[in-house]
Amino acid sequence: GAVVSQHPSWVICKSGTSVKIECRSLDFQATTMFWYRQFPKQSLMLMATSNEGSKATYEQGVEKDKFLINHASLTLSTLTVTSAHPEDSSFYICSAAASGETQYFGPGTRLLVL
Amino acid sequence: EDQVTQSPEALRLQEGESSSLNCSYTVSGLRGLFWYRQDPGKGPEFLFTLYSAGEEKEKERLKATLTKKESFLHITAPKPEDSATYLCAVRLGRGRRALTFGSGTRLQVQP
Repeated sequence: GAVVSQHPSWVICKSGTSVKIECRSLDFQATTMFWYRQFPKQSLMLMATSNEGSKATYEQGVEKDKFLINHASLTLSTLTVTSAHPEDSSFYICSAAASGETQYFGPGTRLLVL
Repeated sequence: EDQVTQSPEALRLQEGESSSLNCSYTVSGLRGLFWYRQDPGKGPEFLFTLYSAGEEKEKERLKATLTKKESFLHITAPKPEDSATYLCAVRLGRGRRALTFGSGTRLQVQP
């Protein structure tokens, strides 16, 4: 149980284009989903928290107009990186939590912006 | 400010050589300390949640313990497949459910 998937697993795009990443909880309903970013050899940094049907809460320093988050259902959240630039290249990981405390993580999406 | 510090940064063990990883934290009102394992290029895999000082949890060769200021992840007789980065995290305070992570310990177990 507690499986979280992400799609795509990796993506390469040109600078200036937008990229959408999906995060799904496959066998449970996630009241809250989280988006993290991880640079090489660094730990996970929280970008935003989203609750189903509500606007996402962004961490300080994360541009909400650049990283659009939609949590339309209890099993799906999407992160759209708008007008991506090379400095946005990173490993993006989502997690999902039901009513309990434990967050279950997806396998991650590696984004490379050329 | 909530902080999580892990040590050592990297650890190399021989197969069968037991050791411990440390996670020290400063948080106002602990609402859960979490251990995850992360393999290269993958998302973190949940291991344990600890809530109160004195609590212990075990899974195969791993045992996690918690005091009021730190947590230890004990690895008994490790195998090469235990090689990974081990992450410690605490729930952010102020009623939030998000986690703040330590920088991790990269464990390498040599055969």
